[in-house]
Amino acid sequence: GQNIDQPTEMTATEGAIVQINCTYQTSGFNGLFWYQQHAGEAPTFLSYNVLDGLEEKGRFSSFLSRSKGYSYLLLKELQMKDSASYLCAVREGNAGNMLTFGGGTRLMVKP
Amino acid sequence: EAGVVQSPRYKIIEKKQPVAFWCNPISGHNTLYWYRQNLGQGPELLIRYENEEAVDDSQLPKDRFSAERLKGVDSTLKIQPAELGDSAVYLCASSSRRDRTTYEQYFGPGTRLTVT
Repeated sequence: GQNIDQPTEMTATEGAIVQINCTYQTSGFNGLFWYQQHAGEAPTFLSYNVLDGLEEKGRFSSFLSRSKGYSYLLLKELQMKDSASYLCAVREGNAGNMLTFGGGTRLMVKP
Repeated sequence: EAGVVQSPRYKIIEKKQPVAFWCNPISGHNTLYWYRQNLGQGPELLIRYENEEAVDDSQLPKDRFSAERLKGVDSTLKIQPAELGDSAVYLCASSSRRDRTTYEQYFGPGTRLTVT
């Protein structure tokens, strides 16, 4: 089984930087995903990490440390449209393409 | 390319009534997933199909939930009879083995079910 923890809510200011953390415990790690979900909409893929290190994609970056069971999503130059829930999901190596999601972090960006 | 299509988008029913949700995955995606998402929580997998075969249904409450993907393309998820606790958003997702790097899952907009 897996245990995935992320903060429930965060608030940040437009133009600032915010880091959303995710810790996990799993028996067979095979990748970590970050998804963005606006209220009432489908989750959309943001990033994928399977090796340690930082993956950068525009204003969004994701970091992974497998030894620590830790990842973070970094959002730079925050915009109002970044207000959404951010879901951390872990794939186990022996479970096909099954993802286990954390509860999500609801980010509110204020002017 | 069309995304994952789900219908209906919203459904309100009384408890003990049956309800069905339909999903059409992205063309060519062999893997299809049904998730349930409660308010303020992450999606929880109910069932996963590889083509027409259900390969993981351990989280599906089999006393009242059923699913099928007869021709390995679109899928139906049914609840009979519905209970108050079934109120949630039911998400469908699909992925392709051709995407060997990530096997990224693409989600549909979901069906928001309210049981009264």
